[in-house]
Amino acid sequence: DADVTQTPRNRITKTGKRIMLECSQTKGHDRMYWYRQDPGLGLRLIYYSFDVKDINKGEISDGYSVSRQAQAKFSLSLESAIPNQTALYFCATAGGGETQYFGPGTRLLVL
Amino acid sequence: SQQGEEDPQALSIQEGENATMNCSYKTSINNLQWYRQNSGRGLVHLILIRSNEREKHSGRLRVTLDTSKKSSSLLITASRAADTASYFCATDPNSGGSNYKLTFGKGTLLTVNP
Repeated sequence: DADVTQTPRNRITKTGKRIMLECSQTKGHDRMYWYRQDPGLGLRLIYYSFDVKDINKGEISDGYSVSRQAQAKFSLSLESAIPNQTALYFCATAGGGETQYFGPGTRLLVL
Repeated sequence: SQQGEEDPQALSIQEGENATMNCSYKTSINNLQWYRQNSGRGLVHLILIRSNEREKHSGRLRVTLDTSKKSSSLLITASRAADTASYFCATDPNSGGSNYKLTFGKGTLLTVNP
């Protein structure tokens, strides 16, 4: 969905590096989410935010942190990247209903 | 942990045939949703069915929900090559009001052969 953008789209980094993945949305939604997808495991929730002042841990938050800089921006940081954080990362947003709208994803490779 | 589990893991059919995918879940839900993912791309919402609904239609899609069996099925009729994708069920695991969090299954990979 072009209304939800993620940068970068692809990233290669080394073990121990700190990296940030960014998500921006023009949908005016209050709720934003970060997921990771691993082959054969579906999507797992890392962090979610229901408004700028509300941030919550998801199922697999260890090793990650987030920042909600504005209603439209939600960033995910890997404090010290490790190889098992290699995955496809998705940002999603939601408005008044339960449907979530996904960005195109960031493919991350940690060497 | 996964709340929803899709079955089968992979399905290959010919264009024009119907495709049926199933989803089982473990706890009470507020709603169940189906999403499609084309290879390596973002998920796209297809349809939402609430816990008090039994069947819902959207175009060539038909979703059923059996809360007594904790299961749902997605039927795609008259499939097309463009339907080739992974399909995920996602549950909002709260029998009261929605908590606006979804738990996704591992997905069914559908291949529609021309």
